[in-house]
Amino acid sequence: IAGITQAPTSQILAAGRRMTLRCTQDMRHNAMYWYRQDLGLGLRLIHYSNTAGTTGKGEVPDGYSVSRANTDDFPLTLASAVPSQTSVYFCASSIAGAFNEQFFGPGTRLTVL
Amino acid sequence: GQNIDQPTEMTATEGAIVQINCTYQTSGFNGLFWYQQHAGEAPTFLSYNVLDGLEEKGRFSSFLSRSKGYSYLLLKELQMKDSASYLCAVMDSNYQLIWGAGTKLIIKP
Repeated sequence: IAGITQAPTSQILAAGRRMTLRCTQDMRHNAMYWYRQDLGLGLRLIHYSNTAGTTGKGEVPDGYSVSRANTDDFPLTLASAVPSQTSVYFCASSIAGAFNEQFFGPGTRLTVL
Repeated sequence: GQNIDQPTEMTATEGAIVQINCTYQTSGFNGLFWYQQHAGEAPTFLSYNVLDGLEEKGRFSSFLSRSKGYSYLLLKELQMKDSASYLCAVMDSNYQLIWGAGTKLIIKP
């Protein structure tokens, strides 16, 4: 692994189904983030984690949950998907703190029908 | 509320110079970032400003005025590969990034 990876690349999901988006980084960054990106809107923070074992809510957390059992992995779960969760999801990581650029994964394109 | 404004789309000619503006209103300020995002790809870091003034990095420069809540990204000697969206983001008092919707830059030959 080099950098930050996400799986799956894309997914079509029936409404009401449960889905977990995976994110793994090998840069030993302490902070990780989940964003969604929708046309015409900026990236919006869903959940974040400043260190393993802790998580926090971002701007749009409803309908999503996360866990941070270790430094490398930060999965995002949709408990019961709805069509409004159709979006491109990006995972990112950084060294926590003011000036620290975030490194992004390649994204997961999710369609909920 | 928190708000980041940038133009939706700009067009420029190969070899020319273009300036992409960003204005912001946020709760606290811990720096302003510019990212580049090619269509279908992830954002990648371009620049960071926390003090007023101009930061130059090759063909790209970024300017910040904290008193005016204003930044711009200046791209010189435009190349076709610079066709992308440019995202402005401000780190707020909670050290979270607040993102603008992005400016789609179209480069014409």
